[in-house]
Amino acid sequence: QKEVEQNSGPLSVPEGAIASLNCTYSDRGSQSFFWYRQYSGKSPELIMFIYSNGDKEDGRFTAQLNKASQYVSLLIRDSQPSDSATYLCAVNAAGNKLTFGGGTRVLVKP
Amino acid sequence: DADVTQTPRNRITKTGKRIMLECSQTKGHDRMYWYRQDPGLGLRLIYYSFDVKDINKGEISDGYSVSRQAQAKFSLSLESAIPNQTALYFCATSEGQGAITEAFFGQGTRLTVV
Repeated sequence: QKEVEQNSGPLSVPEGAIASLNCTYSDRGSQSFFWYRQYSGKSPELIMFIYSNGDKEDGRFTAQLNKASQYVSLLIRDSQPSDSATYLCAVNAAGNKLTFGGGTRVLVKP
Repeated sequence: DADVTQTPRNRITKTGKRIMLECSQTKGHDRMYWYRQDPGLGLRLIYYSFDVKDINKGEISDGYSVSRQAQAKFSLSLESAIPNQTALYFCATSEGQGAITEAFFGQGTRLTVV
C-alpha cells in the first residue's frame, strides 16, 4: 500500500463548477497535510496546509481533514481554466519527511 | 534570485556516465530533499537530510548518492547513469522546527539519459 494515494484523473469540470479532490494516507501518526498545485514542467507551489480535523478555507480553496478516516480533500470553488493543473497531496509522515501522492490532474473546461 | 536554485536546469548524458545535480538554498532551512518525478507518479523521495551530518534514504535511493556539503548545499549524484533515470528532479527545503514542514522547491532539473 502506498503511503499517500490520489486518483490520477483527469478530473474534468466545467468552468464555474466545484472540483473535489481526495487523498488518503496510511500513517496514522501524520501530523500535517499539504496541497500543492503543479503546472506542467513547473515546480509545485503550495496552495494550503491543514493540521486540524475539519475545514480550512482560503479564497476559492477549502481543505478538509478527517484523521479518523485518514483522508484529506481539497475543494476548488468557481473553477477557472487557470486551475487546470496537477494537484499533489503531501503528508508529513513518519520521520517528519514529506511524502507525496501521485497527483490528480484537473481539467477545467470553458 | 530564486530561494532554491538547481543546476543544471537541463542535462543530457550518456549511459554509464557519472553526473551530479546541485542544489543550493538561501532560505536558511535545515532540511533538504531530493525528489524524482515521472509522468503520473507524483514526487518520489530519493534522499533527505535534516542537517549537515544527517543523510537518510528515501523510497527510491538505489542508483543515487548524495552529499550535504553545507547547510545550504545538497548534491545528488548518479554514479553510473541508466536510461530509466530519465526524469524531472526537484530539490526542496523545509524548516527544521515543528510538524508543519512546508516544502519550497527549486525549478527542477530535467535529466535525459541516452
